[in-house]
Amino acid sequence: EPEVTQTPSHQVTQMGQEVILRCVPISNHLYFYWYRQILGQKVEFLVSFYNNEISEKSEIFDDQFSVERPDGSNFTLKIRSTKLEDSAMYFCASSVGTREKLFFGSGTQLSVL
Amino acid sequence: DAKTTQPPSMDCAEGRAANLPCNHSTISGNEYVYWYRQIHSQGPQYIIHGLKNNETNEMASLIITEDRKSSTLILPHATLRDTAVYYCIVRGTGTASKLTFGTGTRLQVTL
Repeated sequence: EPEVTQTPSHQVTQMGQEVILRCVPISNHLYFYWYRQILGQKVEFLVSFYNNEISEKSEIFDDQFSVERPDGSNFTLKIRSTKLEDSAMYFCASSVGTREKLFFGSGTQLSVL
Repeated sequence: DAKTTQPPSMDCAEGRAANLPCNHSTISGNEYVYWYRQIHSQGPQYIIHGLKNNETNEMASLIITEDRKSSTLILPHATLRDTAVYYCIVRGTGTASKLTFGTGTRLQVTL
C-alpha cells in the first residue's frame, strides 16, 4: 500500500534555529496537511493545503510557520525560529479528495534544546 | 465540526469483540463519522468512516444510529495488536476539511 513518507524521523535543533520538516505525500493525492502532537497530548491540526495555497490554518500556525510544495512530490513545513514549546511529533498527511480519508506519515520527532 | 464524546478507556479480552461507543449529538446532516487509531506515537491510522449507513471493512464495523447522534466501532476479534487509542471524529464539509482529534478511548486488549 502506498504511504506518506516523512524525513527525518528525528530532528534535534537549538532554540532560535530554523528547521524544515519534509514529507512526500502519496503520489496522486491533492490535499496535504500538517499536524503535531506534544508528548502526552492530543493530535493537533496545524494547516491544510490544496492547489498550492493554504486552505485552513489553526491558531498554532502563526508567522513562524510556513508550508511549501516546492516540486511535484515534496511538501514541507518550515519553522523559522524554533522555541522550546515547538518540541513535538509532527505528522504529515495527505488525501486524494476533500472527503476522502487522510493517510498519515510516521512522523518527525522534533526536539528543541 | 461537531464535538464527540468517548469513554477515556476500555478493556477487552483477546479474541472477544471490542465495542467502542461515541456520542456526536450535534452532528450535521452532511458530516461524516470517521474512526482512526494511534498505536504508541505512530501516525494515526484510518479504520473506517460512514455517513448514515452501517459500514464494514476488513478491519472493523461501524454502526451509526438512525438519528446519527451516536455510533459504535466494532473490532470483531480483538488481538493484542489492537491495543491503541481510538478516535471518533466528525468531519466537516469544507475544502480540504480537517480531522479534529479529541482525547479518544484508550483500548487495552488483554490475554
